[in-house]
Amino acid sequence: DAKTTQPTSMDCAEGRAANLPCNHSTISGNEYVYWYRQIHSQGPQYIIHGLKNNETNEMASLIITEDRKSSTLILPHATLRDTAVYYCIVRRTGAGSYQLTFGKGTKLSVIP
Amino acid sequence: EAGVVQSPRYKIIEKKQPVAFWCNPISGHNTLYWYLQNLGQGPELLIRYENEEAVDDSQLPKDRFSAERLKGVDSTLKIQPAELGDSAVYLCASSINRGGTYNEQFFGPGTRLTVL
Repeated sequence: DAKTTQPTSMDCAEGRAANLPCNHSTISGNEYVYWYRQIHSQGPQYIIHGLKNNETNEMASLIITEDRKSSTLILPHATLRDTAVYYCIVRRTGAGSYQLTFGKGTKLSVIP
Repeated sequence: EAGVVQSPRYKIIEKKQPVAFWCNPISGHNTLYWYLQNLGQGPELLIRYENEEAVDDSQLPKDRFSAERLKGVDSTLKIQPAELGDSAVYLCASSINRGGTYNEQFFGPGTRLTVL
């Protein structure tokens, strides 16, 4: 599975957009980019995923570069409740798609 | 719809004692996972069940850890005897497997184990 690289930590002012980068330079053509987050004392929560097109849902937007070697998760208006560890994960399709390999993620602190 | 339920949320035991964790997945989810999360690390898969069958237990330390999912619904993870290094959060997750394609995994809140 492709490995991901994320910054260890980031700060964001409340109300501002939080842009969380992720590098996945060894991603394969049949691998998706997934984002999960883990709020303190809770289990990880699915946020969004994409293959090569940009995606948006009620929680966030995902921008994937054309070469698919990196992506950015965007929280458009960060709130204090968005303080969490954010995990970028490359996930296979088809056989083996059950596998989620978590790294250490990015600890996002939203500051009042 | 109820999410993944785990109990207990917290457990403190003395080393060498046994301990068990329980998980009830989302209704209809045929795949169940147990993860271990050490402090400051991401979750690591211990075992995966497809219905009642353990199909991937390669990361489960079988000398002291065991798991079961007898009726293909809820599951129990056991440690006997517990060691100091087992202190961690044990997470349960579930998902749907349709013909080898899996949807997103939904996680429970975890059980925080402290071994003294």
